[in-house]
Amino acid sequence: QKEVEQNSGPLSVPEGAIASLNCTYSDRGSQSFFWYRQYSGKSPELIMFIYSNGDKEDGRFTAQLNKASQYVSLLIRDSQPSDSATYLCAVNPYSGGGADGLTFGKGTHLIIQP
Amino acid sequence: EADIYQTPRYLVIGTGKKITLECSQTMGHDKMYWYQQDPGMELHLIHYSYGVNSTEKGDLSSESTVSRIRTEHFPLTLESARPSHTSQYLCASSESNIEQYFGPGTRLTVT
Repeated sequence: QKEVEQNSGPLSVPEGAIASLNCTYSDRGSQSFFWYRQYSGKSPELIMFIYSNGDKEDGRFTAQLNKASQYVSLLIRDSQPSDSATYLCAVNPYSGGGADGLTFGKGTHLIIQP
Repeated sequence: EADIYQTPRYLVIGTGKKITLECSQTMGHDKMYWYQQDPGMELHLIHYSYGVNSTEKGDLSSESTVSRIRTEHFPLTLESARPSHTSQYLCASSESNIEQYFGPGTRLTVT
């Protein structure tokens, strides 16, 4: 049974601070990892993906992957109220990043306090 | 902006009715997916397709069925709706093996 675990929150972070979102996964064969943002009542949208151990940065977002620890995280720098949303972690066992068999976590509800 | 559409957006229907949820994309993507998501819960993959005439069941067992006769169209059908089918249904498509584009979803309520 593939599992993706996230703290459901809510995680409350002051505006301008760094928000840190964490995710662990059970399938050691997982090869690609995704972070989606989902606003209330809306569909998920992809914000980051990562395949290799280490950090990947895109603007204010940094994804971090540690396959030995089966751990992936998302850092949001200079948090803005518009970052308030649920962040879904998803993993896929195929290195090509194909969405077949994507397993999603329950998501972490992030609140950025002005 | 992704061009993937779902209709209806909201549906309230009685037990035992047959329903079809429509999903269409204009991007020419080969891969399409159906997910089910209850409020505050994770997304569960219920069906996917690699292309025309290809359909596979996902991780979550579902009483629904799908068809893929045309690349752009991936409808989901429930032959006899039950209250346990009440949920949000999200359709997605993908070409690059990286990004999935999600439709706006259909919120289904079975009374």
